[in-house]
Amino acid sequence: QTVVTQEPSFSVSPGGTITLTCGLSSGSVSTTSYPSWYQQTPGQAPRTLIYSTNTRSPGVPDRFSGSIVGNKAVLTITGAQADDESDYYCVLFMGSGIWMFGGGTKVTVL
Amino acid sequence: EAQMVESGGGLVQPGGSLRLSCAASGFSISNYWMSWVRQAPGKGLEWVANIKRDGSDKFYVESVKGRFTVSRDNTKNSVYLQMNSLRAEDTAVYYCARFRTGDYGLDYWGQGTLVTVSS
Repeated sequence: QTVVTQEPSFSVSPGGTITLTCGLSSGSVSTTSYPSWYQQTPGQAPRTLIYSTNTRSPGVPDRFSGSIVGNKAVLTITGAQADDESDYYCVLFMGSGIWMFGGGTKVTVL
Repeated sequence: EAQMVESGGGLVQPGGSLRLSCAASGFSISNYWMSWVRQAPGKGLEWVANIKRDGSDKFYVESVKGRFTVSRDNTKNSVYLQMNSLRAEDTAVYYCARFRTGDYGLDYWGQGTLVTVSS
């Protein structure tokens, strides 16, 4: 079965750029995968960041952006801040009405 | 603003059943697909089920097919998840979320309800 892949962890210095990827164990991510991105801190419900590749959810600062680079979806966060330290999840449309989360990336701001 | 409140979680024995409810406010669910997402303790998010605006289409993750049923009552602005033949691996916080189409994604989330399957 094809699964959605994400880096388990990512470390960044304050002010740096966070680049997270979302791929498929078999095949390529495209705009028709409709990638979306979510941020979650421990004990809290997820917060929606990005829909359909690159549409920011209302209230999300423009430091957060989504794209497709090569065969993966990418979430880019510029000017990293302490409160960007969270788990980040992507979701992809797998076809036949099925959506799948990636395993998540734990971001640490050192 | 859109809000969802889940209820119905609790402790249940393996093989038992539980029905989760999701009461929405601030919008009419009849205009939206709705979703259930779960998160096992210390683990990542897992999409569980989607239901179309009028309930005519439903989709499930493979691991719950034949055991879980998603439904909705648009007149009560509520969504439900009937969970049967529960297993220890179904232990998780279950979130109700609004699913937007067009720009596809989950845009509003409830705070979740904890389901624990244990003897």
